[in-house]
Amino acid sequence: GAGVSQSPSNKVTEKGKDVELRCDPISGHTALYWYRQSLGQGLEFLIYFQGNSAPDKSGLPSDRFSAERTGGSVSTLTIQRTQQEDSAVYLCASSSLGRSSGANVLTFGAGSRLTVL
Amino acid sequence: GENVEQHPSTLSVQEGDSAVIKCTYSDSASNYFPWYKQELGKGPQLIIDIRSNVGEKKDQRIAVTLNKTAKHFSLHITETQPEDSAVYFCAAKGRQGAQKLVFGQGTRLTINP
Repeated sequence: GAGVSQSPSNKVTEKGKDVELRCDPISGHTALYWYRQSLGQGLEFLIYFQGNSAPDKSGLPSDRFSAERTGGSVSTLTIQRTQQEDSAVYLCASSSLGRSSGANVLTFGAGSRLTVL
Repeated sequence: GENVEQHPSTLSVQEGDSAVIKCTYSDSASNYFPWYKQELGKGPQLIIDIRSNVGEKKDQRIAVTLNKTAKHFSLHITETQPEDSAVYFCAAKGRQGAQKLVFGQGTRLTINP
């Protein structure tokens, strides 16, 4: 597609339920990122995938959070046993290598707004 | 790891005036500094970026300056217009091999007509 697509756009769930958030990156982009944006806060890095390399999971806040990227394209972020503090907008971004070494221009999706009651 | 601080958190200016947003970073090896604009209900979009081998970059009404010695960089918007109202984020990318962007906390810019 023309941009990064995320679904669902909005998700309301009850505390303790599991949720899955999906990201379709731009075709051909080898890198995929997940960030979390809590109300009034900045963008908190969660996880990064690059090609076939092992993902950088250093930003995942707990073992309730996991993500996978199948076939080097679509990615799913899973949150198990959701808590109220998980309420946030989850943003996915993809990128290809920039023209200069070390530069990655991220293209973001519109995000998935998660509300945990 | 890298830490990025952004100020102010909110900024209100009159249409036509200039707006300046400032960021500092902690990792002296960081070499890439983009600025993103986020409009309501949308994901952030890149508006301008600068690499560590230059001190200033300009694109029409938007400019970014970088002071590597002091480890700070700034976004300057001149002749502000109502459509400039949005949340702006600075970011820094660390040393080679660290591919993630570390973002500041964001600045909500309001342009008053």
